[in-house]
Parts: sequence; structure tokens; C-alpha cells
Amino acid sequence: SAVISQKPSRDICQRGTSLTIQCQVDSQVTMMFWYRQQPGQSLTLIATANQGSEATYESGFVIDKFPISRPNLTFSTLTVSNMSPEDSSIYLCSVRGQGNQPQHFGDGTRLSIL
Amino acid sequence: LAKTTQPISMDSYEGQEVNITCSHNNIATNDYITWYQQFPSQGPRFIIQGYKTKVTNEVASLFIPADRKSSTLSLPRVSLSDTAVYYCLVGDDYGQNFVFGPGTRLSVLP
Repeated sequence: SAVISQKPSRDICQRGTSLTIQCQVDSQVTMMFWYRQQPGQSLTLIATANQGSEATYESGFVIDKFPISRPNLTFSTLTVSNMSPEDSSIYLCSVRGQGNQPQHFGDGTRLSIL
Repeated sequence: LAKTTQPISMDSYEGQEVNITCSHNNIATNDYITWYQQFPSQGPRFIIQGYKTKVTNEVASLFIPADRKSSTLSLPRVSLSDTAVYYCLVGDDYGQNFVFGPGTRLSVLP
């Protein structure tokens, strides 16, 4: 399976600031996704990162708060904008190939907002 | 979207077989069922995926009845290192409509 690297692995940020999380894959993949996982909770899909076009956001998530880029088939970024303590969470990137191939996940970015 | 439910937690002893069931009553025709294992400070790791009947690989089996409204992950002869949270994921081929279950925290005792 693909090797997925996320940077940073963790960060502590001040409220009102923004942080960009990077997701790099060692091979070209068809689909890339961004999830949020709050402590002790399950994963919630934020958006599908589309190569060359705007991301597709799930209900409750908006582009102004979570802008996403995907310039090519191996790289994507998620920005958490104007952060508040409620944004403290783990943010995970996942990738999958075509068809019914399963998703594979990075180890996440642990974000704390003071 | 298919809403999924799982038991919150389960306990087992080393060497036993563990069966974790996920309910997904309104699963769609195009949806697959995938199970993941997650350790603290790590992302979910793929275990097994299926569409119907039974699937087996080197680490687990997945049983899906004909109506597909539930699925059961079977872990043979668990060890202490199998202590983790197990999630079922229901979703389709097109990268949309993914719904993770709430997760089952499995504790394997010596």
C-alpha cells in the first residue's frame, strides 16, 4: 500500500491563526480525503480533495474554514483557518486508488489551539 | 448515508476468537464494508473489505449476511497486541458517502 506522510505531526497554535497541513503520498493516487477525529471519537469526513478543481465538502464543513488544495496526484494540503479551541483535534489524510480499493491513512496531525 | 452502530467496547482473553459486529441497516447497493484497526497516535490501518458473503485474509474474516444490513469482523486467536479500536466503514466506489462507525474498543487480557 501507499506510504502517506503528514506534516506537521503535531502543533500548538494560538487562536485566530491558521495552520496548513501537508499530505504527501509516495505514488500517484486517484482520490485523497481529509478527516477530523476528535479525542476519543470516530472519524468524520471533512472533504474530498479533487485534483485540479475545488474540493467537495461534507455537510458542516466550508471552504472558508478548511481550504484544501490538490495540485497533483501525490500531494494535498488542508488549512485550518482562524482557529479556535473547538478546532483542537486530529486531522487525517487518506488516499485510495480506483474502484473499490480501500482507503489508507496517514498518522494524522494533532492540533491544539490555546 | 448509511448510519452504522457498533458495540462501544469488548473484552477478550489471549487466544480467543473475537467477533465484532457492525449494523448498517440502510446500506446502499453500491456500498462496500471495510474494517480498520487504530492504535493510539496512529492513523487507522486497513484490515479487510467485503461486499457480500465471506471474505478471509491472513489476519481476519469478514462475514456479511445476504441482506447486508450488518457485518461481523472475526479475529482468530487474539493477542495482547490486538488491543485497539476497530472501526467499520460503509461507503461506495466513488469516494463519496463514507460513514465510519463509532468504533469498538477491544481490550485483550492476558
